[in-house]
Amino acid sequence: DIQMTQSPSSLSASVGDRVTITCRASQSISSYLNWYQQKPGKAPKLLIYAASSLQSGVPSRFSGSGSGTDFTLTISSLQPEDFATYYCQQSYSTPGITFGQGTRLEIK
Amino acid sequence: QVQLVESGGGLVKPGGSLRLSCAASGFTFSDYYMSWIRQAPGKGLEWVSYISSSGSTIYYADSVKGRFTISRDNAKNSLYLQMNSLRAEDTAVYYCAPSPGRWFDPWGQGTLVTVSS
Repeated sequence: DIQMTQSPSSLSASVGDRVTITCRASQSISSYLNWYQQKPGKAPKLLIYAASSLQSGVPSRFSGSGSGTDFTLTISSLQPEDFATYYCQQSYSTPGITFGQGTRLEIK
Repeated sequence: QVQLVESGGGLVKPGGSLRLSCAASGFTFSDYYMSWIRQAPGKGLEWVSYISSSGSTIYYADSVKGRFTISRDNAKNSLYLQMNSLRAEDTAVYYCAPSPGRWFDPWGQGTLVTVSS
């Protein structure tokens, strides 16, 4: 299976900060990379698909970039509602879909 | 709007069986691949299985192959997961989700499966 490694595993930031989360694949996955946000006790929510496409209804402060093995999720100006756990997911290898281990974004 | 409601979770002994259901509404269920994804308590996400729109193509994660069976009933807008020979490591919240592309969106609220003696 393709391994997905997110960094950092946890992050403390303040409202208004610019935040970047990185996801690295163990082999090239082209642009088959998606990002999800999960709040405690809730189901994950799709933010970004195909590496850089913003899901409908998701605020424009979220953006994604990358291709091949290295990808980033950027939040341009953190809002209180953005404190959550973020997961990347590769869909290049099907079957064998895999997720990153998650990045917990906490309030500083 | 799109709604996915999972049910069928609960407490089961190791070696036991459970059948999860996912009732879908608000979209044309028969047009979409559907997946089960799970999350162990305090852990990350793990894809479990998916089934094509017609049911003709099915895949499983290695961790559940031979023990779990995914199925769907397009007439009832429902997805199922038959889980046999359950192990403690199968304890998780199980989510269903359609794949409008090579991603999962939206997700149901999940149903908790606890495997314990």
